[in-house]
Order: sequence, then C-alpha cells, then structure tokens
Amino acid sequence: GQQLNQSPQSMFIQEGEDVSMNCTSSSIFNTWLWYKQDPGEGPVLLIALYKAGELTSNGRLTAQFGITRKDSFLNISASIPSDVGIYFCAGQLNNNDMRFGAGTRLTVKP
Amino acid sequence: GAGVSQSPSNKVTEKGKDVELRCDPISGHTALYWYRQSLGQGLEFLIYFQGNSAPDKSGLPSDRFSAERTGGSVSTLTIQRTQQEDSAVYLCASSLARYTEAFFGQGTRLTVV
Repeated sequence: GQQLNQSPQSMFIQEGEDVSMNCTSSSIFNTWLWYKQDPGEGPVLLIALYKAGELTSNGRLTAQFGITRKDSFLNISASIPSDVGIYFCAGQLNNNDMRFGAGTRLTVKP
Repeated sequence: GAGVSQSPSNKVTEKGKDVELRCDPISGHTALYWYRQSLGQGLEFLIYFQGNSAPDKSGLPSDRFSAERTGGSVSTLTIQRTQQEDSAVYLCASSLARYTEAFFGQGTRLTVV
C-alpha cells in the first residue's frame, strides 16, 4: 500500500525560528495536503497542493509539491507559540482515500 | 450543521460489548472517511465511502469492524466485541467528490475497560 514517511517526528524550537518538515512516499500522489491537529481536536487543513512543482503559501506557511510527485515539504516562518501541535501530511491519488504520515509534533518555546 | 459532526464525543465501554460511532458529514459531501488515531500516533485509515460506489474497506483491522453509510449521508462505524486495543480516537472526515480538501470532525474518544 501507499506508505508516507514524515520527518522529523518531533521538533523543539524557539519562538521566532523557522521550521521545516517533509514527507516522502514510495508511490506518486496527485494531491498533497498538510493538516494541523491541536490537542483534543480533529485535524484542520492548512494547505492543499494539486500540481507537481506547485509552491503555495498561506500566511507564514509555505508548502511545495515535489516534482517527482513523491514528496512534499512544509515550512513555517517566524514561529509563534500557537503553532504548537501535530502536523500531518496526506497524499491522495485520483479519488481514492487519503493516506497520512505519522505526524510531526512541534513544540515552540517562548 | 456547518461542519462534520461526530457522536458521541466520548464513549467508555466494557470489553466485549458492541459500540456504534456516528458521523454526520458536511451536507453535499459525497466522500466520507473514517480514521483511527491511537494515543500519540498518526491517522490510521479504516474505510472510505465515495458516492454510490462500493466502499474501500481495506483499512478495517478485523471483521469486528464494519461501517455503513445510509442515504449517502450519515455513517455509522460499528465495533463488535470490543477489545482494549480498540481504545483510540475515531475520526471522521468528508469532502466534495470533485475536490480533495477533507474536513474532519472532532472525533470520538473510545475507551475500552
């Protein structure tokens, strides 16, 4: 089946620092999605990417759909305390189910 | 409602009992997903419904798990003869058929004692 490898597993950073996380897959995807999950909540969509090579920004967030269609990264610039949470990548091929990475747990120290 | 609604939000059950978890997707969304999230873990795919097509059940961990979606809207995930390892948060998500942005409910936290 489709396997997504997300790294790093966890990050401890200082407020104001930039963050970078990525996902790689053994299979190609047509869509890459990045979600954030706060404790006790369901994941919330941050960015959706639909085309290989696409670079999309949403405020302090930037994500790219890798040219090989097998990877994606998410950058967060100038981190703030409310960025704390678990970030998940998800890949989707055609109209099939979404597969998720194991998540990156982000801690931001004030 | 405006978002995906799941009920109950919390469920404590005794080992061996059956449980039903409910998901009300966003109105008009034809795709519906169930995922399981164990403590501190990622999202494990369980089952996917798309319109009137046969569901993709490839993620269901055992035959104790089943799900149905009635009338293309509400979905129920049933776990029979619950075991302690079934304890987890069960998340439901829905999306429009043509788009892939999926919106999640807040989940049902299941505890089997």
